[in-house]
Order: sequence, then structure tokens, then C-alpha cells
Amino acid sequence: SAVISQKPSRDICQRGTSLTIQCQVDSQVTMMFWYRQQPGQSLTLIATANQGSEATYESGFVIDKFPISRPNLTFSTLTVSNMSPEDSSIYLCSVEDGIGYGYTFGSGTRLTVV
Amino acid sequence: RKEVEQDPGPFNVPEGATVAFNCTYSNSASQSFFWYRQDCRKEPKLLMSVYSSGNEDGRFTAQLNRASQYISLLIRDSKLSDSATYLCTGGSQGNLIFGKGTKLSVKP
Repeated sequence: SAVISQKPSRDICQRGTSLTIQCQVDSQVTMMFWYRQQPGQSLTLIATANQGSEATYESGFVIDKFPISRPNLTFSTLTVSNMSPEDSSIYLCSVEDGIGYGYTFGSGTRLTVV
Repeated sequence: RKEVEQDPGPFNVPEGATVAFNCTYSNSASQSFFWYRQDCRKEPKLLMSVYSSGNEDGRFTAQLNRASQYISLLIRDSKLSDSATYLCTGGSQGNLIFGKGTKLSVKP
């Protein structure tokens, strides 16, 4: 399965600021996914990042709040913009390990907004 | 709305017990199903794939029932190290929907 390096692992940020999360994959992948996991909740898909095109956002998530970059087939960033305490969550990137083989996740970024 | 539902638990069981989790999904077009394990403060990790024919890996057995739209996970001879949250997921390529997870606590 793919190996994903995600950073930062955690951060405490002031409200109104932005944080950029990075994910590096050890192989080329077509799609990378960004999830949010709030305390006691499951994984909610924020957006799908494709190389060479704009990310596709799920209902409730917008590009201005969560801009995504996908400059090549092994790397992606997610920015959480103009943060508020409600953005405190764990953010995870993931890739698909081939059709029917499930997803591999990065180690996650634990974000606390104060 | 396409959802995956599972009992949040917690399931508190003694070592050696057999425990079963069920999960229902609403999207009949879903093609791929998986069980993930998530330890506290860790990322989810793939436990096993789920097939209609059943899938067994040691003490773990997963089953898919397409007619009733549910998947199951059976853990036999529970170990302390099995304590975790188990997430079921189903969907199609690039579109997996995750349940909220079932918390399992195995006690000595």
C-alpha cells in the first residue's frame, strides 16, 4: 500500500489565521482525498484533489475556506482559511490503493483553533 | 442521502469473547466495502475487504449481504489489543462513505 507523509501532525492556531497541511505520497496517484474527523464523529470528505484540475468539493465545503493545491501526482496541500474554533478537528489526506483495495490515510493533522 | 450506519457501541467484552459488528448502507450501487480499525489519536487503517463470499483473516471474518445491504465483522477470541474503533465503509472508486465507527473495549 501507499505510504503517506502528512504534516504538521498537530498545531494550535489563532482564530482568523490560516494553516496549510501537506501530504506527500511515495507513489503517483490520480486522486487524493481530504477528510475531516471531528471528535467522536466519522470521516467527512471535504474534497477530492486531482492533478491538473480544480478540486471537487463536497456539499458544505467551499474552495474559499478550504483551498487545495495538487501540483503533481505525489503531493497535495489543504489550507484551512480564516479559522474559527469550529474548525478544530483532525484533518486527514488519503489515497486509493488501487480499485477495490481501500484507502490509505496520512497520519492526520490535529488542529486546535483558539 | 447516501449513508453508512453502524452501532456506535461501546461494546465492552471480556478477553476471549466473540463479538460481531453490523453496518448498513443505503446506496445499493456501492461496489466496494471495507472495515477499518482506528486506534485512539491515530489514523484509520485498513483491516480487511468485504466480499459477498465472505472474507476471513485469522480471527476476523467479514461478510457482505447485498440483498439486505449490510456488512458484518466477526472477531473471535478477542484480545486486549483488539480494543479500538471499527469503521465500516462502502462506495465506489473515489467515493467511499464511512460510518461513525463502533468502539470496542476488550477487558481482562
